[in-house]
Amino acid sequence: QVQLVQSGAEVKKPGASVKVSCKASGYTFTSYDINWVRQATGQGLEWMGWMNPNSGNTGYAQKFEGRVTITRDTSISTFYMELSSLLSEDTAVYYCARGLAVAATSTSPRYAYWFDPWGQGTLVTVSS
Amino acid sequence: SYEVTQPPSVSVSPGQTASITCSGDKLGNKYAYWYQQKAGQSPVLVVYQDNKRPSGIPERFSGSNSGNTATLTISGTQAMDEADYYCQAWDSSTVVFGGGTKLTVL
Repeated sequence: QVQLVQSGAEVKKPGASVKVSCKASGYTFTSYDINWVRQATGQGLEWMGWMNPNSGNTGYAQKFEGRVTITRDTSISTFYMELSSLLSEDTAVYYCARGLAVAATSTSPRYAYWFDPWGQGTLVTVSS
Repeated sequence: SYEVTQPPSVSVSPGQTASITCSGDKLGNKYAYWYQQKAGQSPVLVVYQDNKRPSGIPERFSGSNSGNTATLTISGTQAMDEADYYCQAWDSSTVVFGGGTKLTVL
């Protein structure tokens, strides 16, 4: 079955960087985007960015532009999300999620993009 | 930037129908998606492309999207449906989530 398994919890000091991994299995690694979404305790979901593993193209939410980098290692079917210049406000659970897309057509003009499945989440705590 | 808005909370009695709304400018011109997140767990897709159910999602979950509002409907709500629900849309190469709705079954 399709599965995304993330790396374990991290504790970092303010100003440091964190790199979270997401290992994909059960599907062709290069066929689907990966996305990263975070959730602070008691808060909602916040989208951070995506990567197309076939082309290596990435896109980031404006809020995180310049501070987040998504990469992949195709040889081990693993994605990475690195967040730099950490602040206490970056304390959150970070999820990877596979992106599924359906292109718009003349008969169905809406572009479709959604997430399924999600990884189990990785808690990143930023504290001095 | 595009935004979608959900009510913070909805309450429903067991066996009744729960409706959770998601509002955004001309949302009906985009697809809406819904995720269920139970306490301490990862989100799970329950509706995609407005009204389609993934394999394994019970038939009591359904969706609609028209005008400025998408709606997730849970018919015959069960105690196990108590969770946070998030709507999602895609706009200009950006993913947008609603703030989430806590569904209480009481």
